[in-house]
Amino acid sequence: EPEVTQTPSHQVTQMGQEVILRCVPISNHLYFYWYRQILGQKVEFLVSFYNNEISEKSEIFDDQFSVERPDGSNFTLKIRSTKLEDSAMYFCASSRARAQPQHFGDGTRLSIL
Amino acid sequence: QKEVEQDPGPLSVPEGAIVSLNCTYSNSAFQYFMWYRQYSRKGPELLMYTYSSGNKEDGRFTAQVDKSSKYISLFIRDSQPSDSATYLCAMSATGSGGSNYKLTFGKGTLLTVNP
Repeated sequence: EPEVTQTPSHQVTQMGQEVILRCVPISNHLYFYWYRQILGQKVEFLVSFYNNEISEKSEIFDDQFSVERPDGSNFTLKIRSTKLEDSAMYFCASSRARAQPQHFGDGTRLSIL
Repeated sequence: QKEVEQDPGPLSVPEGAIVSLNCTYSNSAFQYFMWYRQYSRKGPELLMYTYSSGNKEDGRFTAQVDKSSKYISLFIRDSQPSDSATYLCAMSATGSGGSNYKLTFGKGTLLTVNP
C-alpha cells in the first residue's frame, strides 16, 4: 500500500541553525500538509500546499517557516533559524483531493539544542 | 471552550471487550470526521473517515457522528492487544470560508488491551 515517507526520522540541530525536513507524499496525491506535535500536546496544523502554492497556514507558520515542492516527488519544510520551542514531531500528510482523507508519514523528531 | 475535546485516558480493558472512545467539538462548521490510530513513535494511521452525521462500520470498528450534539464516537468490538495505541479524533470543515480542510485534532486517548 502506498505510503508517505519522511526523512530523517530524527534530526538534532543547534538553535539558530537552518533545518530542512523532507517528505515524499503518495504519488497520485495533489494536496500536501505539514503538522507538528509537541510532546504531550495535540497534533497541530502548520500549512497546506496545492498547485505549487500555500493554500492555508496557521499562526505558527511564521516567516521562519517555508515549504517547497522542488520536484515532482519531494515536499520540504524549512525552518530558517530554529528555536528551542521548535522541538517537536513534524508530520507530513497528503491527500488525493481536498475532501479526501489525509494520510500521514511517521514523522521527523526535531530536537533543538 | 476548546475546539475539540477528547478524554486522554488512559483506558485499560481486557481482551475481547467493547471499547468506546469519543470526542466533542464546538465548531458547527466541521463536516468531515476521522479517527486515527497512532502507535508509539509512528505517524497517525487513518482508521475511519465519515462525512456529516451517521454511522459507518468497517470490520470491528464503528464510527458514529451526531452533529446535533457535536459528538463523535469510535467503537471497537472484540478488542485485541494489537489495538493498544493512542486513538486520535480529527475533523475538518468544508473549503468555503477559507478553512481548506485542515485537520483539527483531539489530544488522543491512550488505550491498552490486556491479554
